[in-house]
Amino acid sequence: EAGVTQFPSHSVIEKGQTVTLRCDPISGHDNLYWYRRVMGKEIKFLLHFVKESKQDESGMPNNRFLAERTGGTYSTLKVQPAELEDSGVYFCASSQGTTGFGNTIYFGEGSWLTVV
Amino acid sequence: KQEVTQIPAALSVPEGENLVLNCSFTDSAIYNLQWFRQDPGKGLTSLLLIQSSQREQTSGRLNASLDKSSGRSTLYIAASQPGDSATYLCAVRSAGGIQGAQKLVFGQGTRLTINP
Repeated sequence: EAGVTQFPSHSVIEKGQTVTLRCDPISGHDNLYWYRRVMGKEIKFLLHFVKESKQDESGMPNNRFLAERTGGTYSTLKVQPAELEDSGVYFCASSQGTTGFGNTIYFGEGSWLTVV
Repeated sequence: KQEVTQIPAALSVPEGENLVLNCSFTDSAIYNLQWFRQDPGKGLTSLLLIQSSQREQTSGRLNASLDKSSGRSTLYIAASQPGDSATYLCAVRSAGGIQGAQKLVFGQGTRLTINP
């Protein structure tokens, strides 16, 4: 069974450009999460989808970040325009069930973003 | 607000030793606690998930304990091997409402090096 897959694995863009990160969760997982880790900091929650609906987007840093999950399958996270402080690793994760408080959350390999 | 702390930040031990990694959290109202491993440049691999009603979980040479009332968890690694070298992350899923329950709050991690 395929795990959580993310694309691209690495991206280097200039300040002011746009980057779109994609995540394919584990098949059948209703819950999809985005997290990120910026240099020297702990991993922090960005948002949570249940199927195609945004359940919680309290961790999104500002309106330059837009996440979508059309059809409740894969998700995209767009950063527009990118700033230097957006550099870091963006992790996608997924878990089963709509009330799965006890379910293991599985993470992808991350998308490593460098803004120069 | 839930905060997770991991001590020490880095640990280096000779191969074969048993060791303990520590994790503490400020709010004892949690659904579960999850330990992850991250290899350099890689994603997060789930090691163990302990539900709030459990005291410990074991997988191979790993044993994780949870003392919810005191806000502590430990990860015990027996007979350490060089392949255990990685960063170990602790994350809690807080029970603060429906939305809060789906967020993982991470510690900064312990970077473990096992010397041959």
